[in-house]
Amino acid sequence: QKEVEQNSGPLSVPEGAIASLNCTYSDRVSQSFFWYRQYSGKSPELIMSIYSNGDKEDGRFTAQLNKASQYVSLLIRDSQPSDSATYLCAVRDSNYQLIWGAGTKLIIKP
Amino acid sequence: GAVVSQHPSRVICKSGTSVKIECRSLDFQATTMFWYRQFPKQSLMLMATSNEGSKATYEQGVEKDKFLINHASLTLSTLTVTSAHPEDSSFYICSARVGPINQPQHFGDGTRLSIL
Repeated sequence: QKEVEQNSGPLSVPEGAIASLNCTYSDRVSQSFFWYRQYSGKSPELIMSIYSNGDKEDGRFTAQLNKASQYVSLLIRDSQPSDSATYLCAVRDSNYQLIWGAGTKLIIKP
Repeated sequence: GAVVSQHPSRVICKSGTSVKIECRSLDFQATTMFWYRQFPKQSLMLMATSNEGSKATYEQGVEKDKFLINHASLTLSTLTVTSAHPEDSSFYICSARVGPINQPQHFGDGTRLSIL
């Protein structure tokens, strides 16, 4: 059973600080990794895609991928209250199926 | 970016009613669309993969006669919840992938279905 694991949280971070969200996956041959943000009652919204080892930055967001450790993370710099949401990690496995984590609830405290 | 439109956004109806949900790709052609269901405080659950011009592929445990999927064109997939019951009340979300298989999925706004 291929799995994507996330800490359910809630993760509470002060406004202006860095929020660090983590995700591990079981299929070593996975090639594509995605972070989605989901506000309560809304559908998921793509934040970042990452395909190769290292860091990928987009504005306040940085995705980090370490395939050897089977670990992908999302950093949010200068956290804002509007960043409060559930963050979903999704991994496309060796069979091209998209495996979803259960999500981490992030709360940014003013 | 890719836009996926889903309609209606909310449905409230009586038990036994059939409900149709539409999912459209507005600015791209989607040979494959995906239907998810999400119960409160739970993660996304893939129900089925909708393929243009062919039968949908259903996930284990999803009744194909209960959840009818039609993908008649490259821009439209429909999900019909037949003879809906209160336990079918959920948040139904469609998504589509733009381009090659390694690309991300983009989601519609979802349909909140409430069966009385």
